[in-house]
Amino acid sequence: DTAVSQTPKYLVTQMGNDKSIKCEQNLGHDTMYWYKQDSKKFLKIMFSYNNKELIINETVPNRFSPKSPDKAHLNLHINSLELGDSAVYFCASSQGIGNEKLFFGSGTQLSVL
Amino acid sequence: SQKIEQNSEALNIQEGKTATLTCNYTNYSPAYLQWYRQDPGRGPVFLLLIRENEKEKRKERLKVTFDTTLKQSLFHITASQPADSATYLCALERGGATNKLIFGTGTLLAVQP
Repeated sequence: DTAVSQTPKYLVTQMGNDKSIKCEQNLGHDTMYWYKQDSKKFLKIMFSYNNKELIINETVPNRFSPKSPDKAHLNLHINSLELGDSAVYFCASSQGIGNEKLFFGSGTQLSVL
Repeated sequence: SQKIEQNSEALNIQEGKTATLTCNYTNYSPAYLQWYRQDPGRGPVFLLLIRENEKEKRKERLKVTFDTTLKQSLFHITASQPADSATYLCALERGGATNKLIFGTGTLLAVQP
């Protein structure tokens, strides 16, 4: 069983479209994250939720809106996609917050044309 | 803000040798530091965590050191194997109730048979 699973694996879309990426973890963890990895492989945190509450919200355009319906799920919705949004988006989870290792999904490769 | 530097160039070594990867940081001293491995098309996988009051941590063929005076962590893989070829990322957390991990850009390790 995959611990942290995200869908879709690949997402190709036109500029201006709205798209969503879904993430689920079956580890029983309380905390979930979205990270963005750019073409230079730099991995940067975007959001973090702990027990469905937003605890980290980095400087991310408000076109990006995370939603956590329960602590096992964290989805990412992106409005009005731009070329610069092309990247690999990783979902991750951890047991709690502070001093915790992260478990990552396999990533969603987003290409905006 | 915190800046993390890892060897930007790929590290090529012969099988059986010890690989040493460097992670340097500026600014504040992190509460702890983590190392991850990332294979192409996959998410990062946690390897080791070391706290600021620990000098060294070992796990099988892996060893991590943490020097808060030099603001540096070294990651060693002894008796390296071609299967160790991957990108290795260091990540720091300041501490506190956020678990906000800041990642370095990673070092690509290639172990030649």
